[in-house]
Amino acid sequence: SQTIHQWPATLVQPVGSPLSLECTVEGTSNPNLYWYRQAAGRGLQLLFYSVGIGQISSEVPQNLSASRPQDRQFILSSKKLLLSDSGFYLCAWSIGGDYGYTFGSGTRLTVV
Amino acid sequence: RKEVEQDPGPFNVPEGATVAFNCTYSNSASQSFFWYRQDCRKEPKLLMSVYSSGNEDGRFTAQLNRASQYISLLIRDSKLSDSATYLCVDQAAGNKLTFGGGTRVLVKP
Repeated sequence: SQTIHQWPATLVQPVGSPLSLECTVEGTSNPNLYWYRQAAGRGLQLLFYSVGIGQISSEVPQNLSASRPQDRQFILSSKKLLLSDSGFYLCAWSIGGDYGYTFGSGTRLTVV
Repeated sequence: RKEVEQDPGPFNVPEGATVAFNCTYSNSASQSFFWYRQDCRKEPKLLMSVYSSGNEDGRFTAQLNRASQYISLLIRDSKLSDSATYLCVDQAAGNKLTFGGGTRVLVKP
């Protein structure tokens, strides 16, 4: 069966520090991968998606970036965090079609 | 106008009662729709897909009205464990899902 792993679960980082969140999927090949952010009390905002290794599409301009160095690995990064980067970051995968997404358990990031 | 809009609630529901709420979408080209459930501080989990003919899964019924561009979710015989935020989702081209802001449901004894 397919599983998705996301870590860390919680993170407190100072303003201006770098960020690296990792997401890996097991049990499937060539999944579509997504990074979403959910600010407190808000809806989910799509940040990046990838349909293959090295293929990244950005949905919202910001100081974040994403990379997909391997088929089932998706990384969200920042060189310098802002206070506004605080939120609940969710990685998700899909096989396409009408099957929806499966989300990882998320990383709760607080920038202080 | 937001692509997917939901009444944020909360909908306060007595245990055992029926609750229904809608979601409107703006993209007439959207092909697929879903309802997700999100518990507090947890990731969203797929509740059910929404088909043109409507579909039912136990106490949950989802309907799609393409003419008026809305989908609905009905929960019968509400349980305390149904308390959650319900996210309406549409899937347009490219397999990208767009989420509504969620409708919060509180089931009370």
